[in-house]
Amino acid sequence: QVQLVESGGGVVQPGGSLRLSCTVSGFTFSDYGMHWLRQTPGKGLEWVAFIRLDASNKYYADSVKGRFTVSRDNSKNTVFLHMNGLREDDTAVYYCAKPGRRYGYRDYYDFWGQGTLVTVSS
Amino acid sequence: EIVLTQSPGTLSLSPGERATLSCRASQRVSTSLAWYQQKPGQAPRLLIYGASTRATGIPDRFTGSGSGTDFTLTITRVEPEDFAVFYCQQYDNSPGTFGQGTKLEIK
Repeated sequence: QVQLVESGGGVVQPGGSLRLSCTVSGFTFSDYGMHWLRQTPGKGLEWVAFIRLDASNKYYADSVKGRFTVSRDNSKNTVFLHMNGLREDDTAVYYCAKPGRRYGYRDYYDFWGQGTLVTVSS
Repeated sequence: EIVLTQSPGTLSLSPGERATLSCRASQRVSTSLAWYQQKPGQAPRLLIYGASTRATGIPDRFTGSGSGTDFTLTITRVEPEDFAVFYCQQYDNSPGTFGQGTKLEIK
């Protein structure tokens, strides 16, 4: 069955960095682009970033552009979110998600990880 | 950015009753709309995509309808396990955006 497992969340001070990982199984990872999303009680669900199946293109929400970088290692079935310059409003549960369609940039999400909590606080 | 407005904010029903949840988009999104269910401490689960296609394993008591700007998720007879928060999401335009959610609670 399809599984997505995130790791790497934690508590970090403003201006700090974290790297989130999402390792998948149950489908051919290299056939799909992958998304990162986040959720807060105040702003709800928000799309964060997308990476194409071959990493040829990457897209970011305006709120994280220039601070976050998405990458992937198809040999390890893993997608990463490198977060720099963290701010208190980046505090959220971060999810990786598989799109429903192979090239799925503008797409729905048919499988999600369990989420990892990132807390930015001094 | 397309704004999705869900109503009502909270829906209080008893098991066995019919639930009708609405999602209105600020611009037309064709049928590029999905519905998700989220229970406390869990990730969202895909219910409906393409406005009306049930995802794999979703019971047929869940029905999606609509196109353009107005969409509806109907649960014909609410089961005890259905109580949760429901979100709509559009993927016609980038970035994909979500509604603020409707909480379905036990009356």
